[in-house]
Amino acid sequence: GESVGLHLPTLSVQEGDNSIINCAYSNSASDYFIWYKQESGKGPQFIIDIRSNMDKRQGQRVTVLLNKTVKHLSLQIAATQPGDSAVYFCAETPYSGAGSYQLTFGKGTKLSVIP
Amino acid sequence: DTGVSQNPRHKITKRGQNVTFRCDPISEHNRLYWYRQTLGQGPEFLTYFQNEAQLEKSRLLSDRFSAERPKGSFSTLEIQRTEQGDSAMYLCASSHTPYPQETQYFGPGTRLLVL
Repeated sequence: GESVGLHLPTLSVQEGDNSIINCAYSNSASDYFIWYKQESGKGPQFIIDIRSNMDKRQGQRVTVLLNKTVKHLSLQIAATQPGDSAVYFCAETPYSGAGSYQLTFGKGTKLSVIP
Repeated sequence: DTGVSQNPRHKITKRGQNVTFRCDPISEHNRLYWYRQTLGQGPEFLTYFQNEAQLEKSRLLSDRFSAERPKGSFSTLEIQRTEQGDSAMYLCASSHTPYPQETQYFGPGTRLLVL
């Protein structure tokens, strides 16, 4: 069936380095993609989103890249900080009038920042 | 705090008991969503409301689950005759239409443990 998944379940990076978290999706009807950060015991926190008519979007220290050809999404975090340690989820939904607004989440990647 | 709030944050119950959770969305957000998250997994969609109308329900929402949003503001999720398999984090999210303000913002969740 259609799914959103992640290539790596865990990622350890040195403080100050850049982090790249990858995500593959299989639903070709996906129109809207979101990255969420979830700290232990908390709800998912919105980081950045991107629509299928874009291939790159930048926020503060974060960049999301979308490659529709290979159905791949990535989150880049610049100058990773200890506070970035969390589980990161990509989520997708076929917005644009498809009638469903439910988000489909992957399993998540745990990012650990080494001080 | 103007974010999504959920109560209670934690609930321990015995198998067979009924439980009810409450979600207060961000003010003026007309869409409200319920998700369930088990350990190590991403959130899974349960149902969503646009104003007071329940427009979509997942197959995960068995007959023992019922959700309401009577006045289009707060919502309740009730689980009747709880089972151990119901143990999970129940997350609520809200969003505001129309485009582009469709990002779903999550609350802190209610963690349910069924003994």
